[in-house]
Amino acid sequence: GAGVSQSPSNKVTEKGKDVELRCDPISGHTALYWYRQSLGQGLEFLIYFQGNSAPDKSGLPSDRFSAERTGGSVSTLTIQRTQQEDSAVYLCASSLETSGWGTDTQYFGPGTRLTVL
Amino acid sequence: AQSVTQPDIHITVSEGASLELRCNYSYGATPYLFWYVQSPGQGLQLLLKYFSGDTLVQGIKGFEAEFKRSQSSFNLRKPSVHWSDAAEYFCAVVTLGYKLSFGAGTTVTVRA
Repeated sequence: GAGVSQSPSNKVTEKGKDVELRCDPISGHTALYWYRQSLGQGLEFLIYFQGNSAPDKSGLPSDRFSAERTGGSVSTLTIQRTQQEDSAVYLCASSLETSGWGTDTQYFGPGTRLTVL
Repeated sequence: AQSVTQPDIHITVSEGASLELRCNYSYGATPYLFWYVQSPGQGLQLLLKYFSGDTLVQGIKGFEAEFKRSQSSFNLRKPSVHWSDAAEYFCAVVTLGYKLSFGAGTTVTVRA
């Protein structure tokens, strides 16, 4: 079956503009995660969804960042008023479920490379 | 807080030689540990994972890792490296039951 897909693969935007990044998880996966990969910070957790609920948003760096998930499937990460420090690769992952024990394998998408000019 | 450290930023190895990537963890109880690989322009692919039981774990692409509680380590090994193994490798530990906390990564270069 298909893996996790993300769109767009690349996004170049001007400082101050809003952007939306999309993630399509593996069908049937109830848990969805967003991570950010940047040169200075490495791989960082942003947010976790269980179904349509986000019990952990602790990794979102500022209130300019928001995310939603609809129908227990597609998720959108929105960055408002983008800044140059938002430039990074945004990775989405999904897992079959979250057992609460940490044993579920997270499957990653190819990422969206965001460049803020 | 649980964390992992990858001491080596970059390793160069000859094709056909053995490879060992180091990972040290900081965690009081038995950690749930993962190794992922990222090829250029690609997402992360799981190589192997350790939860409990046998401390030698076999993964995909001929990789294995050994969990050593006494050394707080979970090192990744491959007996004979292929040019296609050139990539960045990340060790990770699960925190809070779902959040992956990654090491800084080790870039592997394979020379002919």
